[in-house]
Parts: sequence; C-alpha cells; structure tokens
Amino acid sequence: KNQVEQSPQSLIILEGKNCTLQCNYTVSPFSNLRWYKQDTGRGPVSLTIMTFSENTKSNGRYTATLDADTKQSSLHITASQLSDSASYICVVSDRGSTLGRLYFGRGTQLTVWP
Amino acid sequence: EADIYQTPRYLVIGTGKKITLECSQTMGHDKMYWYQQDPGMELHLIHYSYGVNSTEKGDLSSESTVSRIRTEHFPLTLESARPSHTSQYLCASTSGAGQPQHFGDGTRLSIL
Repeated sequence: KNQVEQSPQSLIILEGKNCTLQCNYTVSPFSNLRWYKQDTGRGPVSLTIMTFSENTKSNGRYTATLDADTKQSSLHITASQLSDSASYICVVSDRGSTLGRLYFGRGTQLTVWP
Repeated sequence: EADIYQTPRYLVIGTGKKITLECSQTMGHDKMYWYQQDPGMELHLIHYSYGVNSTEKGDLSSESTVSRIRTEHFPLTLESARPSHTSQYLCASTSGAGQPQHFGDGTRLSIL
C-alpha cells in the first residue's frame, strides 16, 4: 500500500534554532517528492521538489534531502524564524499513471517560539 | 504568488441547504483538483479535471459534484448539505505532471 508517514507529528522550537522533519514513504514507482508549507488558514505552498537522482536541494533556509534507496526524505530548517510556524507536508508522486498520483503525509506542525 | 482563488473562505449553514464552493484560477492551467482536509489529517482527493468538460471522481468518496465549463472555473456543489460534510475544501491547479500544484486558501465549511 502506498503511504507517506511524517514525524514528528508536532514540534516546538525556539526562534533561531535548527530543526529537521522526517518523511518516510512506500510509494512505488517513485516519481518525485515535494515539501509543502501550509500556514494556518492558507493553502499549501511548494518549497522544494526532489527527483530520484537528487540527494539534496536547498531553498533559502530550507534544505531537503532524499534517500531513494531507503525511501526517506528530510527537511532541515536553519535559524528558524517565527514565520516558519506552519504545517509542513510531504507529498510523493508516482509515475504509474498519467495522473501522476499524489500521496500526502499528515504533516508536521511546527511552532517557533520567541 | 499563485493566482487561484476560492470563495467563500468560511461558510456556516444549516442541514439540507444547497452549497456551491467557487474556485477560479488565472494561470490557464488545464488540470484542477478538489481536496478535502480535516485537522491533523492528510489531504484527500475528491474530484479532478484535465480540462473543459472533463471531470473525474477522486479517491475519497464524496457526495459533491463538480463542473468544468470554463478552463479557469471549477466549482464544487453539494445538493443537500449534512453535518458529515463539515471540513476544509482546498482547490488546486497545475500546468502538468512534475509541476507543483498551486492551492487556493480553502473554504472552511461547517454544516449545523
């Protein structure tokens, strides 16, 4: 069964600290993996995309990693800011159909305290 | 900033009413989607469209219906709302496979 599991479910950190969010998936055949940020009351916004051949990709203070062998991804946030408080959703796409089916994780709720 | 808009943002309405949730995008995307999202849960695909006059049901069974008469417009309708329909509904669009989905800010629906 194709699934996406994220951990931790929630996380509280102090402003300026770093944190790492985890995503494990069983989706096959794999096409790509995206991390989305969803602010409270808003729709998700794409942060990064990882394809099979990519190991690391950065977007400002966000760095995503992918290990396609172990089917794991992480999102590392450096020097956290209050505006980083949001839900971070891991989304995996398969390539088994023309739809490019998306599988969503439940998200990690990150809270950054001053 | 993605140009996809949903109205209303919030709706509280009684059981049995007919509801239409609006979704419009100005990016010219052919592919559009409706998702249902409950607190702490993953997004579930309830409808999608690959273009005008094309609509399909998603993975999650839904009593709602959709239409795609114009490329930019993808409304979702509930003929008779029930408390079980209480949820957040997110609309999204994309230009194609491998491209990110752009989401609206959602409609938070509460059926009393």
